[in-house]
Amino acid sequence: NAGVTQTPKFRILKIGQSMTLQCTQDMNHNYMYWYRQDPGMGLKLIYYSVGAGITDKGEVPNGYNVSRSTTEDFPLRLELAAPSQTSVYFCASGASGANVLTFGAGSRLTVL
Amino acid sequence: TQLLEQSPQFLSIQEGENLTVYCNSSSVFSSLQWYRQEPGEGPVLLVTVVTGGEVKKLKRLTFQFGDARKDSSLHITAAQPGDTGLYLCAGAKFGGQNFVFGPGTRLSVLP
Repeated sequence: NAGVTQTPKFRILKIGQSMTLQCTQDMNHNYMYWYRQDPGMGLKLIYYSVGAGITDKGEVPNGYNVSRSTTEDFPLRLELAAPSQTSVYFCASGASGANVLTFGAGSRLTVL
Repeated sequence: TQLLEQSPQFLSIQEGENLTVYCNSSSVFSSLQWYRQEPGEGPVLLVTVVTGGEVKKLKRLTFQFGDARKDSSLHITAAQPGDTGLYLCAGAKFGGQNFVFGPGTRLSVLP
């Protein structure tokens, strides 16, 4: 019963590098989300998806891209890393109509 | 600007004390959730409240949703060190399944 799995847990990037944060869930949830958490700022929504093949921007999408080719997977892509993207990233999933999110353990990204 | 405000931002108390933390907004929500987050982990759901005026109890934790569906409170009775963590509230707008999070209250319960 894995729930939501995120990889990697930690990553250090240089400015301008690119990388993908992986997220997979085994609960057959339709909804998936990417949030970033900065100190004292709570969670900000980057992108979300209501089902395979459908994605939409959240509150802070600039500098990121996502795809949803399967129900299980929702990777987050950073194309040109910037210091402002230093943060902890959380992937979450939820069943349609359910008022509950299940979160992964997070990925801590540092851009130097 | 924060759509959801939480207060206090930090709270440090002794084991056995009672406390209340608050989540406030000028917006109306269809439901409101409370999560607890421990260092190095993702938030974990504590409760969801969906009806204005609703009160839910979870052992020593009591959650209330405001009559106007704009605010909520979390009361902890006889706090224990295991209650230490970041408490986040999140609101869901009507007709959607996007959740807006508050900045959190960081609670420290000292033995």
